[in-house]
Amino acid sequence: QKEVEQDPGPLSVPEGAIVSLNCTYSNSAFQYFMWYRQYSRKGPELLMYTYSSGNKEDGRFTAQVDKSSKYISLFIRDSQPSDSATYLCAMMKGGSEKLVFGKGTKLTVNP
Amino acid sequence: DGGITQSPKYLFRKEGQNVTLSCEQNLNHDAMYWYRQDPGQGLRLIYYSQIVNDFQKGDIAEGYSVSREKKESFPLTVTSAQKNPTAFYLCASRLAGDQETQYFGPGTRLLVL
Repeated sequence: QKEVEQDPGPLSVPEGAIVSLNCTYSNSAFQYFMWYRQYSRKGPELLMYTYSSGNKEDGRFTAQVDKSSKYISLFIRDSQPSDSATYLCAMMKGGSEKLVFGKGTKLTVNP
Repeated sequence: DGGITQSPKYLFRKEGQNVTLSCEQNLNHDAMYWYRQDPGQGLRLIYYSQIVNDFQKGDIAEGYSVSREKKESFPLTVTSAQKNPTAFYLCASRLAGDQETQYFGPGTRLLVL
């Protein structure tokens, strides 16, 4: 079983839709949870991070962590064509230097 | 204009050749990282360095080497021992005490001729 599982999609939605992106993980030692956005042929850009369980909101983006289920989510409200990218989840144990990434979900938002 | 720069954007390697990828940051970050990304795959850690003149192997260090002679620079050499080097290489950096935020450069795409 991989440490981090992420559905690669692709996911195609109409403009204005609510998008839900998810990852599951197997290592209960993970404490830091991140979401990166990566446009084609570019470096990943950190969108949000969460420490331990709970929700975090930033504009149209909401990150949720459920440690009891080992499940994290990223919600995008009022999705825009500019949100079209690959979204990578990543996680890290406390005191570690190693980020463990999911494979990424490719999202297309159609005008 | 602060950030992480990687050069070149594209690099071509001949069989048996060593090539070096450049990574420079002017963010005064302490830690620097090299990742490899293959199509449809997540990023995998090659090497990382927390301080100057010290670095550690990541999950896929075989066939790669690094140096950290200056705080702002962390070059990666892809040696001839790396049999499948074609990939997108990403450099990242992080400020000490800011564990969760690694910032990435624009990447170098390495292709084998």
